[in-house]
Amino acid sequence: NAGVTQTPKFQVLKTGQSMTLQCAQDMNHEYMSWYRQDPGMGLRLIHYSVGAGITDQGEVPNGYNVSRSTTEDFPLRLLSAAPSQTSVYFCASTTGNSPLHFGNGTRLTVT
Amino acid sequence: QQQVKQSPQSLIVQKGGISIINCAYENTAFDYFPWYQQFPGKGPALLIAIRPDVSEKKEGRFTISFNKSAKQFSLHIMDSQPGDSATYFCAARRGSTLGRLYFGRGTQLTVWP
Repeated sequence: NAGVTQTPKFQVLKTGQSMTLQCAQDMNHEYMSWYRQDPGMGLRLIHYSVGAGITDQGEVPNGYNVSRSTTEDFPLRLLSAAPSQTSVYFCASTTGNSPLHFGNGTRLTVT
Repeated sequence: QQQVKQSPQSLIVQKGGISIINCAYENTAFDYFPWYQQFPGKGPALLIAIRPDVSEKKEGRFTISFNKSAKQFSLHIMDSQPGDSATYFCAARRGSTLGRLYFGRGTQLTVWP
């Protein structure tokens, strides 16, 4: 049972480039979410999904897109990377009544 | 507007001592208050959680104290050990938005031998 799997673990982008952070869970969880973690700022919600085909914005959605075509996958797209998006990104999932299960993160640097 | 406020930002405790981390919230619709523990290079993991119908919950050396009227809750780590050195996050959730947690900014705990 892999839990929540995030790829890649590390990524360096140049300003203006686009990329997709992958997230997959094998626990059949309805809810999935993306957080970013910055020093002294805690975990801030970017986007979340309550099920396949349904997504909503979190606290810091600008510059990011998501879609959820299956229960298992919830990719996060950076449309045009900016240095302000340098961060550690965490994907998480839950049934709603279970603890939030986190992946091990993707460390992104934008130069 | 930060939904959950956490303090202190960092904490240094001697081995065997008590570590105390505090959180406060404003939204009375919150009905679930978990604490997460994060080690370097890993994602946060649930440590212990409480609902507002109880004032205290204990699991081993970890205790949550909850004060509903003051809208505050705290994590106490008894007999702190070097292996407890990690970042701790408090969080809160509304029952109407399951799966969405509001996190505090985190406390970096260092327990020195």
